[in-house]
Amino acid sequence: GAVVSQHPSWVICKSGTSVKIECRSLDFQATTMFWYRQFPKQSLMLMATSNEGSKATYEQGVEKDKFLINHASLTLSTLTVTSAHPEDSSFYICSASAIQFFGPGTRLTVL
Amino acid sequence: LAKTTQPISMDSYEGQEVNITCSHNNIATNDYITWYQQFPSQGPRFIIQGYKTKVTNEVASLFIPADRKSSTLSLPRVSLSDTAVYYCLVGDNMGTGKLIFGQGTTLQVKP
Repeated sequence: GAVVSQHPSWVICKSGTSVKIECRSLDFQATTMFWYRQFPKQSLMLMATSNEGSKATYEQGVEKDKFLINHASLTLSTLTVTSAHPEDSSFYICSASAIQFFGPGTRLTVL
Repeated sequence: LAKTTQPISMDSYEGQEVNITCSHNNIATNDYITWYQQFPSQGPRFIIQGYKTKVTNEVASLFIPADRKSSTLSLPRVSLSDTAVYYCLVGDNMGTGKLIFGQGTTLQVKP
């Protein structure tokens, strides 16, 4: 079946630094990818829709200048958390089109 | 707002059949119903998808009444490893539309 990977699986960074998370569709092309954030004991919250070759569409309340999304190819979307702060610590999950296969997630911890 | 409503939690015992019902009163004509399973610190995993009547695969069955305003995920003979959060979502089956997660159902399987 279709596989979506994420890298890194976990990352720890200092407050104020930027972190890039990659989402790849390994055996299919994804014109659309989605980024979610999940806090402990909560459901997934959609952050943005990533469209290949065009600007991402952000959900209400998500800062587009803080969470930079780039979808440069049909198999790769990246999420950059800029100037990360402890409140950005969360589990970030991407999904790709075709019945929305989800990546394994990236655990971000900001110290 | 999530398009679906599910029980927050359910308990079961090993070997029993578990049925989780989801309400989606405002389902659109072109929406499919998809169920996902999520373990802690992992991305959601696709379980089953259907449009109407009954769908069965190697792990579950999905029952959808004629009015499609609800659906029931049936897990036969659950084991301890089925302890997880189960999400019911509605959306187009091509994965091009964004999926809004509800709170999900936390299933606890006891020995």
